[in-house]
Amino acid sequence: ETGVTQSPTHLIKTRGQQVTLRCSSQSGHNTVSWYQQALGQGPQFIFQYYREEENGRGNFPPRFSGLQFPNYSSELNVNALELDDSALYLCASSLVGGKTEAFFGQGTRLTVV
Amino acid sequence: AQKITQTQPGMFVQEKEAVTLDCTYDTSDQSYGLFWYKQPSSGEMIFLIYQGSYDEQNATEGRYSLNFQKARKSANLVISASQLGDSAMYFCAMREVENAGNMLTFGGGTRLMVKP
Repeated sequence: ETGVTQSPTHLIKTRGQQVTLRCSSQSGHNTVSWYQQALGQGPQFIFQYYREEENGRGNFPPRFSGLQFPNYSSELNVNALELDDSALYLCASSLVGGKTEAFFGQGTRLTVV
Repeated sequence: AQKITQTQPGMFVQEKEAVTLDCTYDTSDQSYGLFWYKQPSSGEMIFLIYQGSYDEQNATEGRYSLNFQKARKSANLVISASQLGDSAMYFCAMREVENAGNMLTFGGGTRLMVKP
């Protein structure tokens, strides 16, 4: 148990729709990151939030957006879904810097049809 | 150029034997961290071991050890006394301190299969 929970675990959406994925971080962690993992590949960094502000972003278009709340929970929003958005979405919480590892949730598997 | 390279898409190992999973990395930063994660079929990424770029000794965590060769930019994971439960995907990842926060760059992974 990492203390990081994601919901829902599975989701099926239609191309063009919008989706919101949720993450509850480990207690005391001030940073949350989101990753997209396509089938058979390593996770790709989407973006990171620190104290409710985005402070890093990978190579993803603006239709991927997020929020972090005062209780360190977080949302990932994806607009105008495309078939290639089908993937496992992983949330990770951590403390900034140092030797601290990122703790991952079990992921949300999104299928776009 | 890829920042993290895992050249072994799949590996077999006999139960109770040791296995080495390869990882090479590329960075111009002086300060960085290297991680190994295990991902079973359930999907969750499980932290295994960490090595900082300034750590003089190789990291060890139980049956896991990291063979860190800084000049060669390699950070291989060694699993001793393999168990059937070790069958999973293994990912090497790097955190470059100069980059934003805790962004991790992952390799493509190695699927380890432990034979009874």
